[in-house]
Amino acid sequence: AAGVIQSPRHLIKEKRETATLKCYPIPRHDTVYWYQQGPGQDPQFLISFYEKMQSDKGSIPDRFSAQQFSDYHSELNMSSLELGDSALYFCASRSLRDGRSSGNTIYFGEGSWLTVV
Amino acid sequence: DAKTTQPTSMDCAEGRAANLPCNHSTISGNEYVYWYRQIHSQGPQYIIHGLKNNETNEMASLIITEDRKSSTLILPHATLRDTAVYYCIVRVGNTGNQFYFGTGTSLTVIP
Repeated sequence: AAGVIQSPRHLIKEKRETATLKCYPIPRHDTVYWYQQGPGQDPQFLISFYEKMQSDKGSIPDRFSAQQFSDYHSELNMSSLELGDSALYFCASRSLRDGRSSGNTIYFGEGSWLTVV
Repeated sequence: DAKTTQPTSMDCAEGRAANLPCNHSTISGNEYVYWYRQIHSQGPQYIIHGLKNNETNEMASLIITEDRKSSTLILPHATLRDTAVYYCIVRVGNTGNQFYFGTGTSLTVIP
């Protein structure tokens, strides 16, 4: 079965540069989540989108922005990168359109490693 | 979303059942309990979820207390590949779009 696809898997940037991470949700999934996981930490929720509209905002820095496109893929844009932005970034997706009332499962991608030097 | 409390770490002998507890005393009536696990730096993997009835699938069983204030994830026959961090998450089933990870339990399966 198709899973959540993230690209690139690894990215190295210098301080003050800009990086863009991409997420392709599972087909027919309309909701995308972004998470940041620093070394030795638990995943921290950044932001989510439903039907191309931002639905919830977590601890996303003002230097970061994200959007969901008409084909439901999402991009996380990170500017003025800092050393502390080095982390594993996860994207997850689920389908809110699914009519089941049993609680939709959220599926995660394998993550994108960002290293800021 | 309700907060969860889990032990920081647990050990389990290979082949034995691993019972991972989670407290969610502030859970609301329409909040589901989800369990995920993360094997070192991989994407979190869905295990199981439930509302108030006990659930079982090919990976695990989920036992939710009658008052729904706590639950236990049971891995019936732990293997070395089950060594991971296990997260218990509660959220509103079909409406809430927030899905927060707390501090999970680091399970080590010992040969």
